[in-house]
Amino acid sequence: DADVTQTPRNRITKTGKRIMLECSQTKGHDRMYWYRQDPGLGLRLIYYSFDVKDINKGEISDGYSVSRQAQAKFSLSLESAIPNQTALYFCASSSGRSNQPQHFGDGTRLSIL
Amino acid sequence: AQSVTQPDIHITVSEGASLELRCNYSYGATPYLFWYVQSPGQGLQLLLKYFSGDTLVQGIKGFEAEFKRSQSSFNLRKPSVHWSDAAEYFCAVGPAPNNAGNMLTFGGGTRLMVKP
Repeated sequence: DADVTQTPRNRITKTGKRIMLECSQTKGHDRMYWYRQDPGLGLRLIYYSFDVKDINKGEISDGYSVSRQAQAKFSLSLESAIPNQTALYFCASSSGRSNQPQHFGDGTRLSIL
Repeated sequence: AQSVTQPDIHITVSEGASLELRCNYSYGATPYLFWYVQSPGQGLQLLLKYFSGDTLVQGIKGFEAEFKRSQSSFNLRKPSVHWSDAAEYFCAVGPAPNNAGNMLTFGGGTRLMVKP
């Protein structure tokens, strides 16, 4: 089984809809992250969480919200989706020790019409 | 603010040829540097990382990278490319200046194509 699992893998929806992307990890990591990937821009950080009670905005948090339901689960919501949120979304996790690498899920391809 | 530049958006090499992917970074302190690879339909896999010590680091799949402080570079190399190396490669630098954990800044990526 994958260490970091994202669901769904693909989603097509309409402008204005509420969408939730889910992420779970089996590595026992404290830290979890949500990124979006756009061509030529690499990955940009949306939100990150160092533990269940610690959630922080990243570089591009506007239009998104997150929930850390448990140490292993970190969901990303788009309250009212818009077309420029069409992207590939990645969840990642890492241990709390300094400078340990992040482990990524396989991504969710989201298209908003 | 920290930043990462990958000057080459696309690179095409012949199978068996050598490869070098460029990465330049801007960071106010000693950087922690990473290379990740993304195969189609998959997430990012860590190839190698540099924290300190020997400036030439070895990674998985026969890749290596050299940290050059004077050039602010961390270029990825492979002596002989295989068709399965076709993927997108991302360089990343961290942590953030306020040391808020291991926050990464990614470059825009380099897409590698391998010709038979």
